Amino acid sequence: QLQLQESGSGLVKPSETLSLTCTVSGGSISRGAYSWTWIRQPPGKGLESIGYIYHSGSTYYNPSLESRVTISLDMSKNQFSLKLNSVTAADTALYFCARGVTIFGIDPWGQGILVTVSS
Amino acid sequence: EIVLTQSPSSLSVSPGERATLSCRASQTITSTFLAWYQQRPGQAPRLLIYGASSRATSIPDRFSGSGSGTDFTLTISRLEPEDFAVYYCHQYGSSPQTFGQGTKVEI
Repeated sequence: QLQLQESGSGLVKPSETLSLTCTVSGGSISRGAYSWTWIRQPPGKGLESIGYIYHSGSTYYNPSLESRVTISLDMSKNQFSLKLNSVTAADTALYFCARGVTIFGIDPWGQGILVTVSS
Repeated sequence: EIVLTQSPSSLSVSPGERATLSCRASQTITSTFLAWYQQRPGQAPRLLIYGASSRATSIPDRFSGSGSGTDFTLTISRLEPEDFAVYYCHQYGSSPQTFGQGTKVEI
């Protein structure tokens, strides 16, 4: 059974870079036509797609965040990562990593990691 | 960007009753790439329905999805205590993928 687990710093200072890693177990990120996805949820609010990456390395970023986002793969560790630079308080959110499947949508999801932007 | 508008924003129902949740898209959704997720407090979203009407693995048959084009519905036929949660629709046929703002189903 595929499982995903987010890790990284839970507190980031304004203007700095948010860095998160998603470790995938129970399956290889180098196989299949899946997108490895980041989604976030500000406290008490809805879900926002950040972007995703395929095992080929091709990426898609939400235009609202594109200038600040980088998603990358580390196949040797079966991980993918998110970097979001120049963060502000508006970037405070629960960040989820997940697998995107063309016909299914997004499944499964990691449990999420809360990132707070504060000095 | 396709905007998804869910209604109502919250819904009060009793266990055993039926709940009907709506999701309306600002543009036609390609090939019914429309999913529904359930999010319980403190948990990640869980896929319930994909392709507008197909139940995901292990999802009880009291959950059903319908609709096409711009109008979609999630129906929970007989609410169980564990069904009280927030439900999100999600379109994944056009980029950027977008989510509705959620419907909270309360006791």
